[in-house]
Amino acid sequence: AHLVQSGAEVKKPGASVKVSCKVSGYTLTQSSIHWVRQAPGKGLEWMGGFDHGDGETIYAQKFQGRVTMTEDTSTDTAFMELSSLRSEDTAVYYCASLRGTTFRFEDWGQGTLVTVSS
Amino acid sequence: QSALTQPASVSGSPGQPITISCTGTSSDVGTYDYVSWYQQHPGKAPKLLIYDVSYRPSGVSNRFFGFKSGNTASLTISGLQAEDEADYYCISYSTHSFVFGTGTKVTVL
Repeated sequence: AHLVQSGAEVKKPGASVKVSCKVSGYTLTQSSIHWVRQAPGKGLEWMGGFDHGDGETIYAQKFQGRVTMTEDTSTDTAFMELSSLRSEDTAVYYCASLRGTTFRFEDWGQGTLVTVSS
Repeated sequence: QSALTQPASVSGSPGQPITISCTGTSSDVGTYDYVSWYQQHPGKAPKLLIYDVSYRPSGVSNRFFGFKSGNTASLTISGLQAEDEADYYCISYSTHSFVFGTGTKVTVL
């Protein structure tokens, strides 16, 4: 199973970025995609993802109102869009998959570097 | 929600065991047996080592052990090897969210 993400992005402050994550080896409907970011030299930070218990997308409080996570089941591709970018959003963004109704991130994308700079 | 607390660094000599702690609260680690551990080498994506507190995915070395007591989960690496030098993170499910650990850098002396 693989998660393949879109390429690196450079954005100006105030802009938005949309990162994609294509699933192969199983389908989006068989998994829950979550998004995790890692600022340079820092730890992992959960942003949100699909809650298979409620059937809804859940967002970390820190990102609510600024992040939108969507899915296209016809292409098994998940998307994460972050708006109102600031320099502190410079990070590697990972998609990670929970298979079925598990609570472990079994598969990870390769990461997408998003650089926010004027 | 606050991050799970891990020691910033742990070191050991080859062949020695080390243990990394992961302290949460009664809202996450203390309530749910959904603690997982990940290994991350520089420039790479995290890799699942342990799930549901103590289970190893196929292909993961049996030198890695996970356990939990109260609000603290732990990862033990027995027989430390050079390739174990990496960053390690714990993650716990909490109601409608996930809480990540602060991360531990393991150095093999």
